[in-house]
Amino acid sequence: KAGVTQTPRYLIKTRGQQVTLSCSPISGHRSVSWYQQTPGQGLQFLFEYFSETQRNKGNFPGRFSGRQFSNSRSEMNVSTLELGDSALYLCASSLAGADTQYFGPGTRLTVL
Amino acid sequence: DQQVKQNSPSLSVQEGRISILNCDYTNSMFDYFLWYKKYPAEGPTFLISISSIKDKNEDGRFTVFLNKSAKHLSLHIVPSQPGDSAVYFCAAKGNNDMRFGAGTRLTVKP
Repeated sequence: KAGVTQTPRYLIKTRGQQVTLSCSPISGHRSVSWYQQTPGQGLQFLFEYFSETQRNKGNFPGRFSGRQFSNSRSEMNVSTLELGDSALYLCASSLAGADTQYFGPGTRLTVL
Repeated sequence: DQQVKQNSPSLSVQEGRISILNCDYTNSMFDYFLWYKKYPAEGPTFLISISSIKDKNEDGRFTVFLNKSAKHLSLHIVPSQPGDSAVYFCAAKGNNDMRFGAGTRLTVKP
């Protein structure tokens, strides 16, 4: 069974731009969660989608948004990029959200 | 608001010895706890978990201990191997919420 895939793996943007990251969960998994990883901050929860609905949201500004499609694939969008948005963005999928999550390799975003 | 804390950012042990990684949490609604291991350039991978109804769970060289009254869990790796060198994250789940600690970088020296 294929694992969680994230595209692109690396991205360089400049301040003020916007970016869209994509995540394809493991086949059959309906829950997709997004996390931001920065040095010293660990994994910070962004949001969780289940059956195309946002079920949980972390403490991030409205510039961070996401959506989930009917095939469970998910996208995350960050608008008006700031230098502090430079991080590794990880996506994780699970069957129903209340069980073990499987992570993708992440998208490394660098904002210049 | 760090509900899950890993107070040691790094830990270095000798091959063959025991590695003990610690994690504290504040939210009493958490009832399921997990440890993930992360190598550079890869996403975290699930290692071991424990439910709040237990105080110990063992899987090969890995054992997780839970002290609910102290809101503390620990991961023991015995014996430690150089391939265990990675960043270890603890996570806590409950009430449809999941939080991760900041991670502890374990280095196992040959």
